[in-house]
Amino acid sequence: GAGVSQSPSNKVTEKGKDVELRCDPISGHTALYWYRQSLGQGLEFLIYFQGNSAPDKSGLPSDRFSAERTGGSVSTLTIQRTQQEDSAVYLCASSLGYKDYEQYFGPGTRLTVT
Amino acid sequence: GENVEQHPSTLSVQEGDSAVIKCTYSDSASNYFPWYKQELGKGPQLIIDIRSNVGEKKDQRIAVTLNKTAKHFSLHITETQPEDSAVYFCAASRDLKFSGGYNKLIFGAGTRLAVHP
Repeated sequence: GAGVSQSPSNKVTEKGKDVELRCDPISGHTALYWYRQSLGQGLEFLIYFQGNSAPDKSGLPSDRFSAERTGGSVSTLTIQRTQQEDSAVYLCASSLGYKDYEQYFGPGTRLTVT
Repeated sequence: GENVEQHPSTLSVQEGDSAVIKCTYSDSASNYFPWYKQELGKGPQLIIDIRSNVGEKKDQRIAVTLNKTAKHFSLHITETQPEDSAVYFCAASRDLKFSGGYNKLIFGAGTRLAVHP
């Protein structure tokens, strides 16, 4: 079946511009996670959704970062006034439910801020 | 805060040899330890995981061992093949009962494995 999809796959933007990154989780998965992967680094947790609510936003690096999820499905991560340090791969993962350990990852969006 | 350290950062082996990657974790409440494989341009893919109630788990050529006392766990790949070349990540998380019901994975920095024919 279809896995987690993310769009765009690559995004190049100028410093100061806003960007939106999209995640389509696996159908029926109620839990959704966003991670950031900087060059040569591990994955850094950003935010978790259960349904449309976000019980844990503790990983968002600054108030320029926000995320929403609508209809318990698609999620959008928005970065306002992008900075060069925001350049990274942004990964989305979903899982069956809030008691399910296994997370399935999308291919990621590579963001480059020039 | 929680931390997972992973070693080595790079590993180069000949085809057919074994590869071992080690991780240590700081949160004694951790009880779920997955390993992910990430190929170039793709998202991480779960290859094996272990819960704290077992010390070892095997799946064909890969195995994971866990030492809760020492707070470390390892990935073992036997009879390596060129297609095993990728970046491998370990991670740790708490029992879902104690983490608000969700799986907040703390990842190691990754190991780049190269298997040479």
